[in-house]
Amino acid sequence: DGGITQSPKYLFRKEGQNVTLSCEQNLNHDAMYWYRQDPGQGLRLIYYSQIVNDFQKGDIAEGYSVSREKKESFPLTVTSAQKNPTAFYLCASSMLPASSPLHFGNGTRLTVT
Amino acid sequence: AQSVTQPDIHITVSEGASLELRCNYSYGATPYLFWYVQSPGQGLQLLLKYFSGDTLVQGIKGFEAEFKRSQSSFNLRKPSVHWSDAAEYFCAVGAGDRGSTLGRLYFGRGTQLTVWP
Repeated sequence: DGGITQSPKYLFRKEGQNVTLSCEQNLNHDAMYWYRQDPGQGLRLIYYSQIVNDFQKGDIAEGYSVSREKKESFPLTVTSAQKNPTAFYLCASSMLPASSPLHFGNGTRLTVT
Repeated sequence: AQSVTQPDIHITVSEGASLELRCNYSYGATPYLFWYVQSPGQGLQLLLKYFSGDTLVQGIKGFEAEFKRSQSSFNLRKPSVHWSDAAEYFCAVGAGDRGSTLGRLYFGRGTQLTVWP
């Protein structure tokens, strides 16, 4: 079955370490997105990409980086510059045009201590 | 700027009762609108979407939503709630020219639904 795979489900890191969250999709979607979810704050867009080797910053890109070397993959790196990295991270993909609905992965819960 | 407001942070209903979750948006053009549902620790699942045409849209799991342009609203309804409907519900509005490759979704902060047996 087609879908979006995020791994790992839970991730623990020490403060000051970079960490990369994986997101793979086999839906043949052109667009991919990373959202951060904190209780009571809904979903906030970190980065999105609508074509390979190109991506745009969302609303809260500071302290994060991404790459889009393959259509299927859109990894997110949470750097040590992110001041409050503990959160639930959701990856999504969609067809184009932009009015297409998003398909979400099951998320990665990152805890930084 | 586009924005989405879900006025109710938490709603509690009894099983079998009707449900309405409110969503108001701010967007200059005709929007495209979505409702998503999220179970704890999971991703979001699409319930329904409005793009154009009939303002009453039907979705999965017996949900429906009505687009009211005059009120800038897209409220989600269900005539009879089941215990399995307990979850968090998110409204989202799409920004960008229809048919364009550019654009993104803006999400509300969510409404947590509790269902009493």
